[in-house]
Amino acid sequence: GAVVSQHPSWVICKSGTSVKIECRSLDFQATTMFWYRQFPKQSLMLMATSNEGSKATYEQGVEKDKFLINHASLTLSTLTVTSAHPEDSSFYICSASPLAGFADTQYFGPGTRLTVL
Amino acid sequence: AQSVTQLGSHVSVSEGALVLLRCNYSSSVPPYLFWYVQYPNQGLQLLLKYTSAATLVKGINGFEAEFKKSETSFHLTKPSAHMSDAAEYFCAVRGISNFGNEKLTFGTGTRLTIIP
Repeated sequence: GAVVSQHPSWVICKSGTSVKIECRSLDFQATTMFWYRQFPKQSLMLMATSNEGSKATYEQGVEKDKFLINHASLTLSTLTVTSAHPEDSSFYICSASPLAGFADTQYFGPGTRLTVL
Repeated sequence: AQSVTQLGSHVSVSEGALVLLRCNYSSSVPPYLFWYVQYPNQGLQLLLKYTSAATLVKGINGFEAEFKKSETSFHLTKPSAHMSDAAEYFCAVRGISNFGNEKLTFGTGTRLTIIP
């Protein structure tokens, strides 16, 4: 149980285009979802936290107009990278929790590698 | 603010040997600490967590970690390495974001290689 999927697993796009990444909880209801970014040889950095039906809260330094997060249902959250540029290339990981506001029960997706040319 | 430091980005051990992955934490409050494992092309999986109960925490796959407040450490160990233990391991500490949400802060990870 407690499986989280991400789609796509990898994506290549041209600079200036937008890319949408989906995160789904397959067998539980995800009240809270987290989005992370991971650079090579670095740790996962939390970008934002979203509760179903509410606006996402973004960590300091994360541009909310660039990284649009939607958590419209209890099983789906999306991250849209708008007007992507090469510096946005990274590994994006989502996680989901069945408990609102609790970070220590997170189930992680396998990640999406974004390459912006 | 809470943070963790993982010493050693790469660790290699022989099959059957002791596995020791190091993690030191910094926290202004009693910490909740975690170890996660990531196998290739898979999401992070929780190995074990410390939540201020017993200082020696046992996890899955034969791993355990000991919370040592005096050393601000939470090192991960396994008595006998198996080939299937080869993976990336992350230490994490629970904290609070600027908005009052709970969040996990991760270390930079340690890649464990098992030598046959």
